[in-house]
Amino acid sequence: GESVGLHLPTLSVQEGDNSIINCAYSNSASDYFIWYKQESGKGPQFIIDIRSNMDKRQGQRVTVLLNKTVKHLSLQIAATQPGDSAVYFCAEISPFSGGYNKLIFGAGTRLAVHP
Amino acid sequence: KAGVTQTPRYLIKTRGQQVTLSCSPISGHRSVSWYQQTPGQGLQFLFEYFSETQRNKGNFPGRFSGRQFSNSRSEMNVSTLELGDSALYLCASSLGYEWGNLAKNIQYFGAGTRLSVL
Repeated sequence: GESVGLHLPTLSVQEGDNSIINCAYSNSASDYFIWYKQESGKGPQFIIDIRSNMDKRQGQRVTVLLNKTVKHLSLQIAATQPGDSAVYFCAEISPFSGGYNKLIFGAGTRLAVHP
Repeated sequence: KAGVTQTPRYLIKTRGQQVTLSCSPISGHRSVSWYQQTPGQGLQFLFEYFSETQRNKGNFPGRFSGRQFSNSRSEMNVSTLELGDSALYLCASSLGYEWGNLAKNIQYFGAGTRLSVL
């Protein structure tokens, strides 16, 4: 399939372990954050989102943590499975920099899950 | 519900040509956004259309343009193609809210059009 990014940082984990993917965002005025997963040959797929008035949000096997003090976002995946192998992007929305329909993406992290 | 559909999936063009890409959003979505994805620059916002009007624009030259039709389908056009325009072009659709319940404003992406400029 097409390569999403040739020089992305890679996180390698064993199947069943927990994964933590980190992201530093750029704009302190951003108030909405989203994690996307992109598999080879596909478009980004929504995983979970969080508003800036929250510190933590949980979904199915995933948790997003937001630290506004240091402008840091993390995605935790519990019991990582081979199907979780993909590139993960964080995205921010800053209403004063283009409205609520302009996603500003981070560089991405490749997650490689080994059996 | 059908997802976001982009056509064609692959395109090969030569420098100087122009190209038109098509995007059909999820039924009921009125906002269509376009992104360019390259290994070097990552995912970058091109522009967003809502109700046939360009509402937001990224930092791309005027060679990149788009439009949206009354059925919310969108096209983007790149004129005078350059080698650096080779990329995966992604379209995303959403309900297009600017305020209020952003949980309902998630952008859903198509699989993209892979453009190669030779």
